[in-house]
Amino acid sequence: NAGVTQTPKFQVLKTGQSMTLQCAQDMNHEYMSWYRQDPGMGLRLIHYSVGAGITDQGEVPNGYNVSRSTTEDFPLRLLSAAPSQTSVYFCASSYTSRAGGPIGELFFGEGSRLTVL
Amino acid sequence: TQLLEQSPQFLSIQEGENLTVYCNSSSVFSSLQWYRQEPGEGPVLLVTVVTGGEVKKLKRLTFQFGDARKDSSLHITAAQPGDTGLYLCAGDGRLTSGSRLTFGEGTQLTVNP
Repeated sequence: NAGVTQTPKFQVLKTGQSMTLQCAQDMNHEYMSWYRQDPGMGLRLIHYSVGAGITDQGEVPNGYNVSRSTTEDFPLRLLSAAPSQTSVYFCASSYTSRAGGPIGELFFGEGSRLTVL
Repeated sequence: TQLLEQSPQFLSIQEGENLTVYCNSSSVFSSLQWYRQEPGEGPVLLVTVVTGGEVKKLKRLTFQFGDARKDSSLHITAAQPGDTGLYLCAGDGRLTSGSRLTFGEGTQLTVNP
């Protein structure tokens, strides 16, 4: 029972570097999303997808890109890392409602802790 | 943007004490979820409340959804060290502003032996 798998778990970047956080789920969920978690700010939605080939912006999309070529994978790309992107990133998946959002339980990965120097 | 405010932000109590965590908003939600997150892990769903006034119990945890579906509370009876963690509420705003889940800031609970 893999569920939602995120890699890497830890990453240190220098300002201006790019990288991709990987997310894969094996539950055949249509809905996938990326959140960032910062102290005192809860979970903020970065980007989400309601199915392969469909992505949309969340609350804090600037500086991040996503793509959804398969149902299983939803990578998050940082194009030019900034210290403000230091955070813990969570990928989450769920079934999709008719309204195009998550329905029922969100299943989270274990998180990717990113530090940008 | 819908906002969910949780209080208190931090709570440190002794084993055996009771506590209540609140999740408040000015917006109406179609449902509200409570998650618990332990260090180094992702949040895990505890319960979903859907109907205004609904009460759900999970062992020593009691969850209530406000009559107007704008607020919720989590009450823990006789807290144990294993209850330590970050508690997050999340509201489904599909009734008013789309179908995204909005998370509160979280309540960090520490139960001391």
